[in-house]
Amino acid sequence: EVQLLESGGGLVQPGGSLRLSCAASGFTFSSYAMSWVRQAPGKGLECVSTISNGGGGTYYADSVKGRFTISRDNSKNTLFLLMNSLRAEDTAVYYCAKSLARPKDNFDYWGQGTLVTVSS
Amino acid sequence: QSVLTQPPSVSAAPGQKVTISCSGSSSNIGNNAVSWYQQFPGTAPKLLIYENNERPSGIPDRFSGSKSGTSATLGITGLQTGDEADYYCGTWDSSLSAGWVFGGGTKLTVL
Repeated sequence: EVQLLESGGGLVQPGGSLRLSCAASGFTFSSYAMSWVRQAPGKGLECVSTISNGGGGTYYADSVKGRFTISRDNSKNTLFLLMNSLRAEDTAVYYCAKSLARPKDNFDYWGQGTLVTVSS
Repeated sequence: QSVLTQPPSVSAAPGQKVTISCSGSSSNIGNNAVSWYQQFPGTAPKLLIYENNERPSGIPDRFSGSKSGTSATLGITGLQTGDEADYYCGTWDSSLSAGWVFGGGTKLTVL
């Protein structure tokens, strides 16, 4: 059974940093692209970043480019999102999502999400 | 402002049929497969349709998808009260800022 378990969310001040983790199990993690998708309170879905299965290809939404860094450790089946220079508008539930295969493929499994709140 | 355009809400009576549209451009829907996601309040999205019109195992055939040019449509027949949820279309955008894009979501109300 595929499982994605996010952690690392919490309350952080504007300008601060946070690192999210997503522990994956139930599939061959190194064979699939992965993404972070966020949802601000009462708003829709936004894919903030995607990484290819080997980590060589990364993609970022314009809203986070230069501030967020996606990475993965295939030896530990874990996806990461390092978030710097956080702003109030980054407040959202952050979901880890598995792609069917390639970065451009649909998301077939989602984690339960972790809440990030940026506030002073 | 979402890259893909969906109606904010649709409604229909139990047993009826409803369609939800999703409009994009040549850089996204026009050249990439569309998927649809169902989301209930307080829960993670769930894959409903992939590759424009394919259903994952466990999704009833009351749900269908189609794509034509730069638009896609989700259809739901035999509406049930349990179908009340938010529905999102999504696809890859191949423009300079390549990445996944979503519609703004459509709230389905089963009257």
